[in-house]
Amino acid sequence: QVQLQESGPGLVKPSETLSLTCTVSGGSVNSYYWTWIRQPPGKGPEWIGDISYSGSTNYNPSLKSRVTISVDRSKNQFSLMLNSVTAADTAVYYCAREGYYGSGIYSIDYWGQGTLVTVSS
Amino acid sequence: DIQMTQSPSSLSASVGDRVTITCRASQGIRNDLGWYQQKPGKAPERLIYAASTLQSGVPSRFSGSGSGTEFTLTISSLQPEDFATYYCLQHNGYPRTFGQGTKVEIK
Repeated sequence: QVQLQESGPGLVKPSETLSLTCTVSGGSVNSYYWTWIRQPPGKGPEWIGDISYSGSTNYNPSLKSRVTISVDRSKNQFSLMLNSVTAADTAVYYCAREGYYGSGIYSIDYWGQGTLVTVSS
Repeated sequence: DIQMTQSPSSLSASVGDRVTITCRASQGIRNDLGWYQQKPGKAPERLIYAASTLQSGVPSRFSGSGSGTEFTLTISSLQPEDFATYYCLQHNGYPRTFGQGTKVEIK
C-alpha cells in the first residue's frame, strides 16, 4: 500500500517561498508520476504540477513562473517550492501519485492527507 | 487548458435516491477521466478511473460512463455515507484539470 506524507511549515510570510516535502512509503519515486495539488479553503482542487520517474516536470501554466518540483531519490521524497507567495496561495497542499494502468491510462490514485499552509505576516 | 464543466454544483437528495452528476470536457479526452469523493477535512478518494472502471473496494452502487466530451457518475441508491462533494479530473492533457465539484446534501 503506497502512503504519502506531506511535511513543511504551516505558516509562510507574504513574498517568501513555500517549501513542502512529500515522503513516499510502500512505493518508489523511481516509478510513475508524483504530483502536487492544492485546495484553497472552501474551493475545488487545483493541479500544481508533477515530476516523472525520469525527473521530467510538468507545471500548471498559471503557476509555472513560481513553481519548482524536485525529487530526492535517496530519501524517496519529492518536494514543492512556490516562491513570491501571497494570501491567494493559502490552501491545503496535497501530494499524490499518478499511476499508470496500461493502454495509455493514467490516474491519480494515492493521496497524502494534506497540509494547510497559510500565507500571512 | 482542457476545461471541465461539472453539473450540478449542488443537489439535495434522500437516502435511496438515484443521483447523476455530469462532467463535460472542452475537447475530446477519450476516457481519460476519474471521479473522486471528498468528505470535509479529508483528501479526495478515487471512485472511478478510465471513465468507467470501479476502484477496488468502492461499492457497486457507484458507476461511471462516457467517452470523448461527456461523462457521468451515477449513484444508484444513495446511502448516508455518500453525502460528500464529488469531483471529476481529466488526465488527457496538461495541466490536469478538475471539475468545479458537486456537493451532495441530505434532503
